[in-house]
Amino acid sequence: NAGVTQTPKFRILKIGQSMTLQCTQDMNHNYMYWYRQDPGMGLKLIYYSVGAGITDKGEVPNGYNVSRSTTEDFPLRLELAAPSQTSVYFCASRPRLAGGEDTQYFGPGTRLTVL
Amino acid sequence: QQQVKQSPQSLIVQKGGIPIINCAYENTAFDYFPWYQQFPGKGPALLIAIRPDVSEKKEGRFTISFNKSAKQFSLHIMDSQPGDSATYFCAAFPRGANNLFFGTGTRLTVIP
Repeated sequence: NAGVTQTPKFRILKIGQSMTLQCTQDMNHNYMYWYRQDPGMGLKLIYYSVGAGITDKGEVPNGYNVSRSTTEDFPLRLELAAPSQTSVYFCASRPRLAGGEDTQYFGPGTRLTVL
Repeated sequence: QQQVKQSPQSLIVQKGGIPIINCAYENTAFDYFPWYQQFPGKGPALLIAIRPDVSEKKEGRFTISFNKSAKQFSLHIMDSQPGDSATYFCAAFPRGANNLFFGTGTRLTVIP
């Protein structure tokens, strides 16, 4: 299994541009997540999905949109990029385990700079 | 509001030392407490986890100590090695919820 893959690895955007960060998992996990990681701030949840067709906001959803049309893919859309969106973005997935234990599997991240 | 408070922000120890990272929480609905390890340029990966019905869990050189009454838990790394240099995140998972709450991370450096 490739696990969780993210593309691109790096991207520089100009203010006002849009882009989509891609995330794919091949583990047939129900749950998928998007986080952003800023220095000294830990991981903040942007959006998550509990299955195809179902998404919900996390802690910091403003300026982002998501969709989940398949189990495998969970793209994150940035509209009208702003410098405050400069960050490292991580996608993660986890299975729905009967015991409720939450082992999230993370992708390698996308480093985004907005200038 | 940070649901899981983590300290210290950074930590430097000599090889063989025992770094200790502390986390605290208020929400009594949390019932699963994982620690994640992140190397530079990589995504976090699960290191060890504990449920509040035990006070300690050990896996290799990594130990979680859990104090339910104080709502605190900590990670101890025995005989630390330079290869343990990474950022460590504590996290908490609320009963019946869908997502984790992460601490702010501790950057550990182990000096040879």
